[in-house]
Amino acid sequence: SQQGEEDPQALSIQEGENATMNCSYKTSINNLQWYRQNPGRGLVHLILIRSNEREKHSGRLRVTLDTSKKSSSLLITASRAADTASYFCAPLEAAGNKLTFGGGTRVLVKP
Amino acid sequence: DTGVSQNPRHKITKRGQNVTFRCDPISEHNRLYWYRQTLGQGPEFLTYFQNEAQLEKSRLLSDRFSAERPKGSFSTLEIQRTEQGDSAMYLCASSSSGRGAFTDTQYFGPGTRLTVL
Repeated sequence: SQQGEEDPQALSIQEGENATMNCSYKTSINNLQWYRQNPGRGLVHLILIRSNEREKHSGRLRVTLDTSKKSSSLLITASRAADTASYFCAPLEAAGNKLTFGGGTRVLVKP
Repeated sequence: DTGVSQNPRHKITKRGQNVTFRCDPISEHNRLYWYRQTLGQGPEFLTYFQNEAQLEKSRLLSDRFSAERPKGSFSTLEIQRTEQGDSAMYLCASSSSGRGAFTDTQYFGPGTRLTVL
C-alpha cells in the first residue's frame, strides 16, 4: 500500500503564483523526501526533511513537517513554467529503508 | 557524471522473453533500490540491497523477478517470461548510510522503460 498521499492530485496556476501541495502518511518515519518528475523522466530529489525537523528551505522551495498530524507540505514560491511537473512525497518508514510514494500532484504553471 | 545510471533506457520485448536491466549507483553509496512505476502512478518499491546483501523484497517481486548486486557495486534486475503487465518504468536509486547531511537521500536514475508486446 502507498503511504505518502498527496493532495491535491492536480494544480493549475499562473506563473509567479505560489503552489502548495500537501502530503499525508500513516506510520512513523525517519524522514520524508520530496521529488519532482517530468513526464517520461526519472525523479529529481528536491528536499529531505528529518523527523526532528519542522521546516526546511531550498531556494524557492519550503517544506514543513508535522509528525503529530503525520503530514507535510511543499510550497513553491514565485512559480515558473519550468516548475510544471509531478511532485511526489515519499516517507521513509522508521522500520525500514524503502520510500513509499503516493500518486503525486501534477502541477501546471501557465506562462 | 557521477549520478545513478541505468541501461538500457528503453527495452521492447515480446511476451515470454527474458530481460535484464543494469543499474550503476553513485560510487560511494552502499544502498541500492529498485522501484517500478506505471503510468500516472508513483513508484512502488521492489527490492533493496545494502552492499551485496538483498535485505528486503516486496510482494510485488514475483518469482519471475530476480535482482543481484554481486560485488556491492552495480546491480541487475532480471525478469523471466515477461508478461504484458510487466510493462513499466523500472527505476533504480542509491543512497548512503551512516552520518552526514545527505544520509538516506535516495538519488534516482533515469529509469528503464520496458514495453512488453
